[in-house]
Amino acid sequence: NAGVTQTPKFQVLKTGQSMTLQCAQDMNHEYMSWYRQDPGMGLRLIHYSVGAGITDQGEVPNGYNVSRSTTEDFPLRLLSAAPSQTSVYFCASSYSGTSGGPEETQYFGPGTRLLVL
Amino acid sequence: GENVEQHPSTLSVQEGDSAVIKCTYSDSASNYFPWYKQELGKGPQLIIDIRSNVGEKKDQRIAVTLNKTAKHFSLHITETQPEDSAVYFCAASGDDKIIFGKGTRLHILP
Repeated sequence: NAGVTQTPKFQVLKTGQSMTLQCAQDMNHEYMSWYRQDPGMGLRLIHYSVGAGITDQGEVPNGYNVSRSTTEDFPLRLLSAAPSQTSVYFCASSYSGTSGGPEETQYFGPGTRLLVL
Repeated sequence: GENVEQHPSTLSVQEGDSAVIKCTYSDSASNYFPWYKQELGKGPQLIIDIRSNVGEKKDQRIAVTLNKTAKHFSLHITETQPEDSAVYFCAASGDDKIIFGKGTRLHILP
């Protein structure tokens, strides 16, 4: 198993540009999520999905869109990049717990480092 | 929504001593409390977790305690080693989300 993969590893954007951060997992996990990591701010939840076709907002969803058309893929779209979106982005996946939520081990990808100029 | 507070933000301990990191959470419905370790340039990895029906869990040098009444939980690392140097995150799961604390940077001094 490749686990959770993220592409690209590093990206530089200009303000106003759009891009998609890719995330894929091959563990048949129902639950997937996106976090951003900034110095002193920890990991903040952007969006999450409890299964294909279902997505919901996390703590900091503004400026980001997601979709979940398949179990394996969970892309994160930046519609119009801003310098405030400079960050390291992590995708994670897990099996769903008995209540359908993420009460199981989260497997994180290696991250995408994004710089917005 | 859930809010997780983590302290301290930085912790330095002598090699061989113990380290304790504490977290509090706000949502009484949260029922799953994992701890993650992040090494430089990598994604976080689970090191131990505890569920709301258990008060304490131990795995070799690592232990976690949970006080549901007070809504706080702690990570204890005994006999610290150089490879324990990393950033540690606590988290709480409830309402379909996992919310993380801001992290603790642990330095193990020789």
